[in-house]
Amino acid sequence: DVKVTQSSRYLVKRTGEKVFLECVQDMDHENMFWYRQDPGLGLRLIYFSYDVKMKEKGDIPEGYSVSREKKERFSLILESASTNQTSMYLCASSLWIRFNEQFFGPGTRLTVL
Amino acid sequence: DAKTTQPPSMDCAEGRAANLPCNHSTISGNEYVYWYRQIHSQGPQYIIHGLKNNETNEMASLIITEDRKSSTLILPHATLRDTAVYYCIVRVADYKLSFGAGTTVTVRA
Repeated sequence: DVKVTQSSRYLVKRTGEKVFLECVQDMDHENMFWYRQDPGLGLRLIYFSYDVKMKEKGDIPEGYSVSREKKERFSLILESASTNQTSMYLCASSLWIRFNEQFFGPGTRLTVL
Repeated sequence: DAKTTQPPSMDCAEGRAANLPCNHSTISGNEYVYWYRQIHSQGPQYIIHGLKNNETNEMASLIITEDRKSSTLILPHATLRDTAVYYCIVRVADYKLSFGAGTTVTVRA
């Protein structure tokens, strides 16, 4: 079974703090993704990575950066958290040849005060 | 990108088949139909996908019309645990997914 784990289920941070969200997958998937989900807006892709040290912007990359130093780990970084980044953050992974058969983690509910 | 239209909600009885429709009349020849679902407080879960032919796996069946302008996801024996939001997504195989509003399916005992 594919397992995608996220470092925290719930996180509360203050405006201006640097925030790290970690995602780890254990099935040797090449592709990894970060989404955010907001009521009425659905899931929106922030960044994805198809290989170590490679990254591509998604639909809403502003205010975020990512890091992929190892194949199994994909980090989302909020350099200076703002209240409009309060959201549910979801990580996903997939095989290179099955880009859109994505396996999602349980999500991190981030609240920025 | 082909746009999809799904009913906002539907109910079905536990133990019965649930048939979830999706219209995608502007689908292109190289676009696949993907289905995902999201159970409350969990991440989305991949269910099935297809291009032209009908597909079946351990979770569901996907029926695509011959003109490919619509499809139906069938959950053969719905259980209470199938209560979720179901997303129909039309995409080329190597391009990023886009999740719309989906259909909220409630399975009732």
